[in-house]
Amino acid sequence: GQQVMQIPQYQHVQEGEDFTTYCNSSTTLSNIQWYKQRPGGHPVFLIQLVKSGEVKKQKRLTFQFGEAKKNSSLHITATQTTDVGTYFCAGNNNDMRFGAGTRLTVKP
Amino acid sequence: DAGVIQSPRHEVTEMGQEVTLRCKPISGHNSLFWYRQTMMRGLELLIYFNNNVPIDDSGMPEDRFSAKMPNASFSTLKIQPSEPRDSAVYFCASSLGSPEQYFGPGTRLTVT
Repeated sequence: GQQVMQIPQYQHVQEGEDFTTYCNSSTTLSNIQWYKQRPGGHPVFLIQLVKSGEVKKQKRLTFQFGEAKKNSSLHITATQTTDVGTYFCAGNNNDMRFGAGTRLTVKP
Repeated sequence: DAGVIQSPRHEVTEMGQEVTLRCKPISGHNSLFWYRQTMMRGLELLIYFNNNVPIDDSGMPEDRFSAKMPNASFSTLKIQPSEPRDSAVYFCASSLGSPEQYFGPGTRLTVT
């Protein structure tokens, strides 16, 4: 069945440094979604990517969908303490599978 | 504007007891999702409903789990009998014809 792998599991950065999390699927996806979950909170939808090679930006966040629609990345430029949380990708191909998440901590 | 409402927020029960988790989706949303989150298994989709009809329950772990949606504004997830390995945070989410799912605050279930 479909598997979604996400790396790294943890990332600790100094405030102002960049951060990237990667998501890889064992099968071609129809779309991929990204969510953020603050400590003790619930997942919050960030974005959905649908098209091959798609790139979307939300302020300091850049999302990419690979040409083969099997991988995706989320890049945060110049992290801030408010970026702390776990970032999940969720791959969709008839059923939705979440990656394990990347927990980001930011040192001020 | 109320978001997704879940109750209870915390539940502690003994092994073998029946547990019922409740969810009220955002008014007007037509899709409802139940998820389970644990450290070991991460976030798992258990079941989702579209217009109150279960569409995909392949994520439901076993027969001890059942979910219902009697109307557009209410859903339950029941575990009977509960086991310690069912301890997790259970999230309910809803959406309206878009990929964006709105998650509730979750129910933290502890089975001793």
